Amino acid sequence: ETGVTQSPTHLIKTRGQQVTLRCSSQSGHNTVSWYQQALGQGPQFIFQYYREEENGRGNFPPRFSGLQFPNYSSELNVNALELDDSALYLCASSLVLVPGELFFGEGSRLTVL
Amino acid sequence: SQQGEEDPQALSIQEGENATMNCSYKTSINNLQWYRQNSGRGLVHLILIRSNEREKHSGRLRVTLDTSKKSSSLLITASRAADTASYFCATDEDRGSTLGRLYFGRGTQLTVWP
Repeated sequence: ETGVTQSPTHLIKTRGQQVTLRCSSQSGHNTVSWYQQALGQGPQFIFQYYREEENGRGNFPPRFSGLQFPNYSSELNVNALELDDSALYLCASSLVLVPGELFFGEGSRLTVL
Repeated sequence: SQQGEEDPQALSIQEGENATMNCSYKTSINNLQWYRQNSGRGLVHLILIRSNEREKHSGRLRVTLDTSKKSSSLLITASRAADTASYFCATDEDRGSTLGRLYFGRGTQLTVWP
């Protein structure tokens, strides 16, 4: 139990639709990162938020966007869904910005048809 | 891109045996971590080893780090069926990139038979 919760756990969308995934960080953690994990692959870094500002982005197009709220909860938004967006989306929180242990949620499994 | 690569991709052993997984990476790092993932679920942090450390223990886990070879190993001793999971190594990059960003390999799928 990491204290990080994600919703929804599973969802199905069709190509071209938009999706919003939500994450509640562990209490006191001010940094949240989002990762995409395709089947059989390791997690890939999407972006990170620190104190409500984006603080780094991986190799993902602008249709992947995010928000972090004053209570440190976070959202991942994906527009114009493509079939390849089907994946497990993982949220991870940490206490500080420096590299260290990440606390992951259980993920949101997105299927795009 | 994936910085770390685990080897082997899959490992199948009997309960009580030891399991060894290896990880290689490409650039200088600040630290290396190992995570465990049960099927389709979230990742759980196992252990972190810093670049100036060579070996670290945590319960039945032993991690080594060789920065000259850019490699690490994870040893699980006296394995149990409950250890069945995917194991990932994750590194940061010591080049001023996003602090807290981790690079994961594709993982080793460990199966422990009763």
